Order: sequence, then C-alpha cells, then structure tokens
Amino acid sequence: AQSVAQPEDQVNVAEGNPLTVKCTYSVSGNPYLFWYVQYPNRGLQFLLKYITGDNLVKGSYGFEAEFNKSQTSFHLKKPSALVSDSALYFCAVRDRGYSSASKIIFGSGTRLSIRP
Amino acid sequence: GAVVSQHPSRVICKSGTSVKIECRSLDFQATTMFWYRQFPKQSLMLMATSNEGSKATYEQGVEKDKFLINHASLTLSTLTVTSAHPEDSSFYICSALLAGGPGRNEQFFGPGTRLTVL
Repeated sequence: AQSVAQPEDQVNVAEGNPLTVKCTYSVSGNPYLFWYVQYPNRGLQFLLKYITGDNLVKGSYGFEAEFNKSQTSFHLKKPSALVSDSALYFCAVRDRGYSSASKIIFGSGTRLSIRP
Repeated sequence: GAVVSQHPSRVICKSGTSVKIECRSLDFQATTMFWYRQFPKQSLMLMATSNEGSKATYEQGVEKDKFLINHASLTLSTLTVTSAHPEDSSFYICSALLAGGPGRNEQFFGPGTRLTVL
C-alpha cells in the first residue's frame, strides 16, 4: 500500500531565509508526487507535481521540490521565505495505475510559520 | 484552468437534520469525483469515490447510509450528511478528476464546506 510521511508537524523560518518541508513516500513502483498548500478555511491549492523527467520540479509561488528516488523523498523548498508563505502544506502520492479512480493519499501536513 | 466549486461554503445545522453539500466541476466534465473529510489540524481523509451514473465506493469505516453520495451528472456530485450529529462537524472537501489519458488524470479540489452541527 502506498503511504506518505511528513515528519515535522511545524516548521518555523525567518523571512528571507531558505525553507524546507520534508516528505518521504512508500509505494510499489514509481509514483506521482504532489505538494498542495492550504490556507485557513480554504480548499487545497496545487503547488507542483513530479511525474517524470528532471528530479527538480519548479512550481507556483517560487516553490520547488526535489525527487530523490534512493531516499524516497520529495522535499519542498524555497530559497527565500515570505511571511505570506505561512500555511499548511500537504505532500501527496498517487500510484501510476491507469485506472481513472487512482486515489491520492495525503501526508499528515506540516504547518509552515514564517516570522517577519 | 479547471475549477471546482462547492456549495455551501459554510453551514450550521441542528442535530438530527440532514445537510446536502454540492460539488461542481465548472469547466470540465468529471466522471469521477472524490469526497474528503478534514478534522482540525489533521490531514484529508478520503471518504468515498463518486462515479457518475453508478454507486459510490466508500472507504473502510465510512457509513454509506450516513453519508449519501449522488453523482447524477458529469458536473455535479452531492454529499448528504443524514441525521447529522455534532461529531459530524468537520471540513468537507471534494475533488473532481480531469481525465487526461493513461497516467495523466489530475484531481482539482473544491474550496471546502465547513459543517457545524449544534
């Protein structure tokens, strides 16, 4: 069964500093990997995804993520954090099955707090 | 881009009443939609997969008679919480699947519905 883990409940970073939000996954075969962001009382906003190709994926709002197959990780990164980046971030995985009903499994979420 | 809406965004009801939440794909057709539930400070838990024209597939532990799902058209799925109780209070999020071919299907999420049962 596929699963995804976000080991940190909260990450605190000063504005202007680089940030990393960690994610590791467990699937059979090669997965599709996603990062989503959620602001208070809002739905999920898509940030980026890894399908194939370059291990470094660039997404919305200056975020990027690095797919590391040997470490089964897909950490989210940003070179310089903004206060407006403060939100709840979810890593997610979906298997590569051809079924249209392939499920997305979400990690537990990491709350990112950027202090001015 | 693909947009998914939910209505209502927020609902407060009395214990014992039923509440219907709508999920619409505004600019694409979705044969498959998903319903998630999110408790405060927790992750999204998949409740069920809604298939147009057929019965929904429920995840283990989700009561199908409690959470009625109807996917009557290619752009609308509804979730009805029957005889709601305070423990049903939660944030309900739907997503719609945009079919892009083998391995390219992508889910788009609605903004969520906050249900509070008094």
